[in-house]
Amino acid sequence: SQQGEEDPQALSIQEGENATMNCSYKTSINNLQWYRQNSGRGLVHLILIRSNEREKHSGRLRVTLDTSKKSSSLLITASRAADTASYFCATASYSGGGADGLTFGKGTHLIIQP
Amino acid sequence: KAGVTQTPRYLIKTRGQQVTLSCSPISGHRSVSWYQQTPGQGLQFLFEYFSETQRNKGNFPGRFSGRQFSNSRSEMNVSTLELGDSALYLCASSLRGAGTYEQYFGPGTRLTVT
Repeated sequence: SQQGEEDPQALSIQEGENATMNCSYKTSINNLQWYRQNSGRGLVHLILIRSNEREKHSGRLRVTLDTSKKSSSLLITASRAADTASYFCATASYSGGGADGLTFGKGTHLIIQP
Repeated sequence: KAGVTQTPRYLIKTRGQQVTLSCSPISGHRSVSWYQQTPGQGLQFLFEYFSETQRNKGNFPGRFSGRQFSNSRSEMNVSTLELGDSALYLCASSLRGAGTYEQYFGPGTRLTVT
């Protein structure tokens, strides 16, 4: 079952603008990860933020995590045509036996218009 | 380092048949996870193997099984194929565990069941 839910489902912006995607989840997590997927190909890991972190940066990416609201956001600044892709958040929880597999949301499809 | 490789890349099978997919993880990675991606259900976790042992399992019927070899290579098997098994099957490897570290995905095997 999907734990993470991304919002919006689709987003179209002009090249150079910033893109913000949100992710909400339901249960307590160990960490939250963002992935990118181009046209039905394999996923590429973008950033991992642990439950005790509030913000993380990687190049043009900024991720925030609010565990009290069970939500995260991914900001892509100065977007480029190559950023056109689907973006997924994935959560990792711990059960009694250790870390569980990742639970993915349904993704945000981002289109960058030239 | 070479990335995660999956074979075959495309497969067409008939209902009732069985299929075996293969995944070679990044060298040194001991965790291999499998995911099914469909337009309707999105990305769903199948199972994770770590050091030849199944560590986690998603909510899939027993027709879906897997194994991991001593060199960390993994195979997944689907028996008695159904039309609904048509999907992109993604394999991902991780240094220690799917929920703890970022995962590196292969390009996927696209399975079509007719």
